[in-house]
Amino acid sequence: GAVVSQHPSWVICKSGTSVKIECRSLDFQATTMFWYRQFPKQSLMLMATSNEGSKATYEQGVEKDKFLINHASLTLSTLTVTSAHPEDSSFYICSARGIGLARNYEQYFGPGTRLTVT
Amino acid sequence: GENVEQHPSTLSVQEGDSAVIKCTYSDSASNYFPWYKQELGKRPQLIIDIRSNVGEKKDQRIAVTLNKTAKHFSLHITETQPEDSAVYFCAASTSGRGSTLGRLYFGRGTQLTVWP
Repeated sequence: GAVVSQHPSWVICKSGTSVKIECRSLDFQATTMFWYRQFPKQSLMLMATSNEGSKATYEQGVEKDKFLINHASLTLSTLTVTSAHPEDSSFYICSARGIGLARNYEQYFGPGTRLTVT
Repeated sequence: GENVEQHPSTLSVQEGDSAVIKCTYSDSASNYFPWYKQELGKRPQLIIDIRSNVGEKKDQRIAVTLNKTAKHFSLHITETQPEDSAVYFCAASTSGRGSTLGRLYFGRGTQLTVWP
């Protein structure tokens, strides 16, 4: 139980285009989802926290107009990287906390999406 | 906010030896401390966690200790094997009834290499 999926697993896009990444909780309802970015040999950096039905809370330094987050349902959150540039190339990982789980304090991670902007 | 420090950044051990990774945190309100193992290009995998109401937890070759007074916690891996080689991250969180966010604060990671 407590499985989180991400789609796509990898994507290559041209500079200036937008890319949407989906994060789904497959067998539980995710009240809170988190989006992280991870550069090579670095730790996970929290970009934003989203609660279902409300606006995402962005971490300092993360441009909310560039990284659009939508948490429209209890099982789906999306991250859209708008006008992507090569410096946005990174590993994007989502995680989710849910209701009705025995360990409702644990975060369940998706498999990540490798974004390469050319 | 919370600040989590992790040491060492790299650790090399011989197969069969023990490995210890240490973390400190700054926020006394933190009460949940997970450890993750991450292999290259993959998601962080929870290997063990501890909540602040206990001082030690063990799962086979892996153990975690927590010292709330000193605000530090450690990961201990015994009888290391080459497949233990990965990056390990510690994290701290404030979680519980009434907590709506429960965000994780991560350490910088430790690259563990186990030589056969």
